[in-house]
Amino acid sequence: RKEVEQDPGPFNVPEGATVAFNCTYSNSASQSFFWYRQDCRKEPKLLMSVYSSGNEDGRFTAQLNRASQYISLLIRDSKLSDSATYLCVVTTPGGSYIPTFGRGTSLIVHP
Amino acid sequence: DGGITQSPKYLFRKEGQNVTLSCEQNLNHDAMYWYRQDPGQGLRLIYYSQIVNDFQKGDIAEGYSVSREKKESFPLTVTSAQKNPTAFYLCASSSGTGGNDEQYFGPGTRLTVT
Repeated sequence: RKEVEQDPGPFNVPEGATVAFNCTYSNSASQSFFWYRQDCRKEPKLLMSVYSSGNEDGRFTAQLNRASQYISLLIRDSKLSDSATYLCVVTTPGGSYIPTFGRGTSLIVHP
Repeated sequence: DGGITQSPKYLFRKEGQNVTLSCEQNLNHDAMYWYRQDPGQGLRLIYYSQIVNDFQKGDIAEGYSVSREKKESFPLTVTSAQKNPTAFYLCASSSGTGGNDEQYFGPGTRLTVT
């Protein structure tokens, strides 16, 4: 089983739609969680950290479910500019805290 | 402007040649990382360094080498021993080594080996 798993998609949604992605992780000791956004042929950039209490930034909401070992990202009122790949990142302690990246979920928002 | 620079953006090499990819940061970050990304794949960790003059192998270190002689610089050498070197290489840094810190990425180097 891979450490961090994501549905690669693509998720194809119209503008204004609400879309949600999940990311599962295998190590229950995982400590830190992030969502990064990667545009085509560009470097990843941090979208938001995921806290135990969940967090919201404008149209984006991230949640952590430790019992089921997954994190989620909800995007409301999708914009064309939201089209990108969303990478889930999980950090697990064990000598060094090295982030593990999921394969990413591709989102395409169409007019 | 603070950030991470990688050069060159595109690099072409013949099979059997070693090639060194540059990564420089002026963010005063302690930790630096090298990742490889193949089409449709996530980032895979090649090497990382949490302090000057020290570095650790990641998940796919075979065929690669690094050095960390200065805090700002973390060059990656792709040797001829690397079986499939053609890929998108990304360098990143973070301020801490505890895993709770955001990673900042450079723009990447696309290496093509023929």
